[in-house]
Amino acid sequence: GQQLNQSPQSMFIQEGEDVSMNCTSSSIFNTWLWYKQEPGEGPVLLIALYKAGELTSNGRLTAQFGITRKDSFLNISASIPSDVGIYFCAGPFGGTYKYIFGTGTRLKVLA
Amino acid sequence: GAVVSQHPSWVICKSGTSVKIECRSLDFQATTMFWYRQFPKQSLMLMATSNEGSKATYEQGVEKDKFLINHASLTLSTLTVTSAHPEDSSFYICSAKAGPGELFFGEGSRLTVL
Repeated sequence: GQQLNQSPQSMFIQEGEDVSMNCTSSSIFNTWLWYKQEPGEGPVLLIALYKAGELTSNGRLTAQFGITRKDSFLNISASIPSDVGIYFCAGPFGGTYKYIFGTGTRLKVLA
Repeated sequence: GAVVSQHPSWVICKSGTSVKIECRSLDFQATTMFWYRQFPKQSLMLMATSNEGSKATYEQGVEKDKFLINHASLTLSTLTVTSAHPEDSSFYICSAKAGPGELFFGEGSRLTVL
């Protein structure tokens, strides 16, 4: 099935560092959603974006809806150990209400 | 955010048996729910869209007779894995839309077929 491409695939960072990851698509999206998933759990919605250029924050997390509408970015500032997990982007494809997911970015924070 | 709950959270069954997984929207009504499947260290793959009061629509490559979906009410969708085999072992996750663009997920159900 279709997927969105995320990079990097994985990251190992020191506690306190900032993190940046992105998600790209070959087609235009009208909505971008960012999720975090921990082992054995379902994804938890972090941020939802609805307009090109939109910048939205949720605590230490900030996400941006790319101007081209084909990409989105997620930043985490001052990372802490509990930020560990897999971060997924998602968006509705083909003008439908069905959401596809990115390949994921696995984040590990070293204390 | 909106709450979506799945049950059971994990199940182990023998090959050839059928397993039912429930997905409930606890604080909102959902005319549409989605079922995803996730293999270890992989992303979520959409299996089917569950429509309240009508037949589910399945993604390409997903066997509708294998994965039976019923959406009998505005707060409940069920996924039944029929005649389960070891290759059906996976993490099954449901989701529902609570508002414009917002998709909320259940906790997931881990199926292990022996």
